Amino acid sequence: NAGVMQNPRHLVRRRGQEARLRCSPMKGHSHVYWYRQLPEEGLKFMVYLQKENIIDESGMPKERFSAEFPKEGPSILRIQQVVRGDSAAYFCASSPPGHPSSYEQYFGPGTRLTVT
Amino acid sequence: LAKTTQPISMDSYEGQEVNITCSHNNIATNDYITWYQQFPSQGPRFIIQGYKTKVTNEVASLFIPADRKSSTLSLPRVSLSDTAVYYCLVANQGGKLIFGQGTELSVKP
Repeated sequence: NAGVMQNPRHLVRRRGQEARLRCSPMKGHSHVYWYRQLPEEGLKFMVYLQKENIIDESGMPKERFSAEFPKEGPSILRIQQVVRGDSAAYFCASSPPGHPSSYEQYFGPGTRLTVT
Repeated sequence: LAKTTQPISMDSYEGQEVNITCSHNNIATNDYITWYQQFPSQGPRFIIQGYKTKVTNEVASLFIPADRKSSTLSLPRVSLSDTAVYYCLVANQGGKLIFGQGTELSVKP
């Protein structure tokens, strides 16, 4: 039973380029969450999605960041016009359907974004 | 929102029992207490969750006093591979997990 998969594992972008991070949740999971971890800091919640719906995006920066979880395919976190401050590890997590307040979320290995 | 406070770092030796205490003075009646473990360059991993008294699984034990204002994660006989950051979380506000700074545990030979 494959876990949460994220790709790419490492991504290098120049300032001003776009970054696309992909997340495939565990089989049967319909809730996806994105978190960001800056160097030497804890994880910060960004967005919570269900299939075709954004449930909570209170942690997303107002500009340049967007997320989607289409009916088919992986969840995508998109960062437009990246800046050096976007350099971080981005983690995706998933949880099974049912009550959304699931404390047990399953995390992927993360995508490490470096902006040069 | 119940804020959590835990030590920034702890040192231990192989074979010892490690207890990491987390305080959460403003915990709400319907909040649960959850602990995650994170190794370098990996995503966090769920360890244990509890509401009150004691919970034990194959990895750890969680002790919660009656007032629930604190909790203690107990790791029996740690090994080098238990070196990681341990996060105490309270509630998840409808889906999202609120991580604090965590406790960086270093296990020495």
